[in-house]
Amino acid sequence: EDQVTQSPEALRLQEGESSSLNCSYTVSGLRGLFWYRQDPGKGPEFLFTLYSAGEEKEKERLKATLTKKESFLHITAPKPEDSATYLCAVQGSFTGGGNKLTFGTGTQLKVEL
Amino acid sequence: GAVVSQHPSWVICKSGTSVKIECRSLDFQATTMFWYRQFPKQSLMLMATSNEGSKATYEQGVEKDKFLINHASLTLSTLTVTSAHPEDSSFYICSARVGSTSYNEQFFGPGTRLTVL
Repeated sequence: EDQVTQSPEALRLQEGESSSLNCSYTVSGLRGLFWYRQDPGKGPEFLFTLYSAGEEKEKERLKATLTKKESFLHITAPKPEDSATYLCAVQGSFTGGGNKLTFGTGTQLKVEL
Repeated sequence: GAVVSQHPSWVICKSGTSVKIECRSLDFQATTMFWYRQFPKQSLMLMATSNEGSKATYEQGVEKDKFLINHASLTLSTLTVTSAHPEDSSFYICSARVGSTSYNEQFFGPGTRLTVL
């Protein structure tokens, strides 16, 4: 069974204080690792897909990296508007015909002035 | 692009009634849509996978007679919670897969907050 563990559960940062969120996973045949942002009371917003170890993707202040066991979401010089819950999900080859996403419980990020 | 909408955004109903939630892909055709539920402070749990023109595939532990899913067109899937009870109160979110292979990303709707009194 695919498993995703995210840490920390919650993170408080000062504006401009860079940090990283961790997503550790076990999956049979990784098809993709996904990062989403979720604001309270809303659906997840797609950020990145990573397919293979060594891959990196960037978007504004966010950078996602992938190894064979974990993924990191690096936040550089965060702003208060980056406050949200960040979700990691994996898609394995042998679960749900390859369609199913298994989500972690998320990291709740709060960026303060 | 890749916009998914849900209606209604929130609903309050009495115990024993049925509630229908719609999920639409606005600017693309979605052969596959997914239904999730999310309890407070918890992550998303997949309930079922909905394929256009065929029966939905339910996850283990999800009652298919209670959560009826219909995917009648390439842009619309509906979830009907039948004979709703307070324990069915939750945040229901749909997603749609862009593209025709399982490698493609899922884009999520804004969610529907269901409260059963």
